[in-house]
Amino acid sequence: AQSVTQLGSHVSVSEGALVLLRCNYSSSVPPYLFWYVQYPNQGLQLLLKYTTGATLVKGINGFEAEFKKSETSFHLTKPSAHMSDAAEYFCAVSEGGGATNKLIFGTGTLLAVQP
Amino acid sequence: DVKVTQSSRYLVKRTGEKVFLECVQDMDHENMFWYRQDPGLGLRLIYFSYDVKMKEKGDIPEGYSVSREKKERFSLILESASTNQTSMYLCASSPVRGEGGTEAFFGQGTRLTVV
Repeated sequence: AQSVTQLGSHVSVSEGALVLLRCNYSSSVPPYLFWYVQYPNQGLQLLLKYTTGATLVKGINGFEAEFKKSETSFHLTKPSAHMSDAAEYFCAVSEGGGATNKLIFGTGTLLAVQP
Repeated sequence: DVKVTQSSRYLVKRTGEKVFLECVQDMDHENMFWYRQDPGLGLRLIYFSYDVKMKEKGDIPEGYSVSREKKERFSLILESASTNQTSMYLCASSPVRGEGGTEAFFGQGTRLTVV
């Protein structure tokens, strides 16, 4: 079965600093990979996704992630943190063949941005 | 824009009550999901449905059932609510994997408290 590991349940950065949120996955088939963001008392919003093709994917709000098959990783980065980036971030892998598009999520990383 | 609507943002129910959480999507998606979100545990899949009247158990189905009588509507039922089912419940929908998109779209969530 596929699974996702997010290293670091809490990450704190200063405003303007690099954001790096780590995600490793396990999958026996080529994965679809996703990063979602959740603001307080909200549902999840898609930041970016990797399906096929270019391994560096860009998302909304200046975030990007790189799919590294050899490292089974899909880390999320942003060059310069903004106060509005404070939220919880979830990495997910899509499991299933055929029509099913079931997402398996990591346990989340809560990002704090200090002024 | 895709819209996934959950019938309630907040619910308070008594132990032993039968509870219905409703979810409606407007994008004609085949797949629909119910997740439970708890601090430190991420999102855990309760049930999912890949077609009308079709359902499969997720990772934590005990104490829950689901109903999908129409394509746009997916209901989660707590047969006899217990305090350990106090949680945030998130509904999601997605298209067939690889067709017209791959990601899941989420509702705003229902915060259920069982007293």
